[in-house]
Amino acid sequence: AQSVSQHNHHVILSEAASLELGCNYSYGGTVNLFWYVQYPGQHLQLLLKYFSGDPLVKGIKGFEAEFIKSKFSFNLRKPSVQWSDTAEYFCAVIIDYTGTASKLTFGTGTRLQVTL
Amino acid sequence: DAGVTQSPTHLIKTRGQQVTLRCSPKSGHDTVSWYQQALGQGPQFIFQYYEEEERQRGNFPDRFSGHQFPNYSSELNVNALLLGDSALYLCASSKLHEQFFGPGTRLTVL
Repeated sequence: AQSVSQHNHHVILSEAASLELGCNYSYGGTVNLFWYVQYPGQHLQLLLKYFSGDPLVKGIKGFEAEFIKSKFSFNLRKPSVQWSDTAEYFCAVIIDYTGTASKLTFGTGTRLQVTL
Repeated sequence: DAGVTQSPTHLIKTRGQQVTLRCSPKSGHDTVSWYQQALGQGPQFIFQYYEEEERQRGNFPDRFSGHQFPNYSSELNVNALLLGDSALYLCASSKLHEQFFGPGTRLTVL
């Protein structure tokens, strides 16, 4: 069964520090990859997605992620975090074997706390 | 354009009872998926509906059932509630691969 691992459960950074959150998945075939963010009291929002093409994808709010197929990884990065980035971040994967919408498998999430 | 909406926002039930949660998808979306998010965990896939039929199902018992209506809205039903069913239930709608999530229904089972 496919699975998604997020090794950083809780990350604390100061404002302006750089961020990298790890995400690894276990599936050898074609995958669609996502990062979602859940701000306190708000619903899950899509930060960025990878379907195909350029393995470096850019999302909203200055976030980017790099798909490294050989490492089964899709790490999330941001050069300089802001206090408003405090949230829970989830990596998710879809196995693209149906060609239509399919189930998302989520990691356990990383709680990011940005201090002033 | 309203996004995905869910009702109710919060719900408190006792063990053994039954519950129905509702979801209205984003305009133009024809697929609805349901997820369960326990405290401190990532969302877990329950099932997905398309053209009023269950298309995929996760590892949840038959106590969890659903329905999709011709207007693409959906219901999640849970019978014989257990304490472990306490969670945030998320609905997501989609047209293709990108799923948009609603705010969720917080279910507490006492």
